[in-house]
Amino acid sequence: DIQMTQSPSSLSASVGDRVTITCQASQDIGNYLNWYQQRPGQAPKLLIFDASNLKTGVPSRFRGSGSGTDFTLTISSLQPEDTATYYCQQWDTFGQGTKVEIK
Amino acid sequence: QLQLQESGSGLVKPSQTLSLTCAVSGGSINTADFSWTWIRQPPGKGLEYIGYIYHSGTTAYNPSLKSRLSLSVDKSKNQFSLKLSSVTAADTAIYYCARVGGGSSNWFDPWGHGTLVTVSS
Repeated sequence: DIQMTQSPSSLSASVGDRVTITCQASQDIGNYLNWYQQRPGQAPKLLIFDASNLKTGVPSRFRGSGSGTDFTLTISSLQPEDTATYYCQQWDTFGQGTKVEIK
Repeated sequence: QLQLQESGSGLVKPSQTLSLTCAVSGGSINTADFSWTWIRQPPGKGLEYIGYIYHSGTTAYNPSLKSRLSLSVDKSKNQFSLKLSSVTAADTAIYYCARVGGGSSNWFDPWGHGTLVTVSS
């Protein structure tokens, strides 16, 4: 089974900061990696699919990159509404999540 | 705009069967372009895939739940359902339904709002 390892598990950053979350797969998954945002009390929402494709309507400050085993979600300029937990996902496996908070 | 809405028993006694339905609106469930999935999230924890079902009725289950799980689809009502038997407190979670797309990428979008199921006597 493929394992997905996210890091860090949580982070705190200031508004306007650049934030980076990583997701590592236990074997090569090509570009089959998706990212979700889950705000407190809400259902997850798809942000990025196929590693680097931004879903329509998602702000351009979100960027996904990577292929093979190493992937990154970058928020170029953190905003208050980005307070959430972010998950990577491949097929039937989710990462553990990264909780992003504002300082 | 496609929308999904979960409904079902919010409180289930241990050893009984959990039953949920996901109603799909704004689009047809009877399509080969997508499949349909259930995902759950124990309070304060991460996301766990439960299983998939296709419009044809073909299913794929999380191996850890397979012996207790049954997914079905009702094309006439444009909905799909989940039954999980012999529940324990470990099955207490928010249960989400979602559409699955993307071929090998298997992204989940959109999601329902989720429904909390508590297993307690």
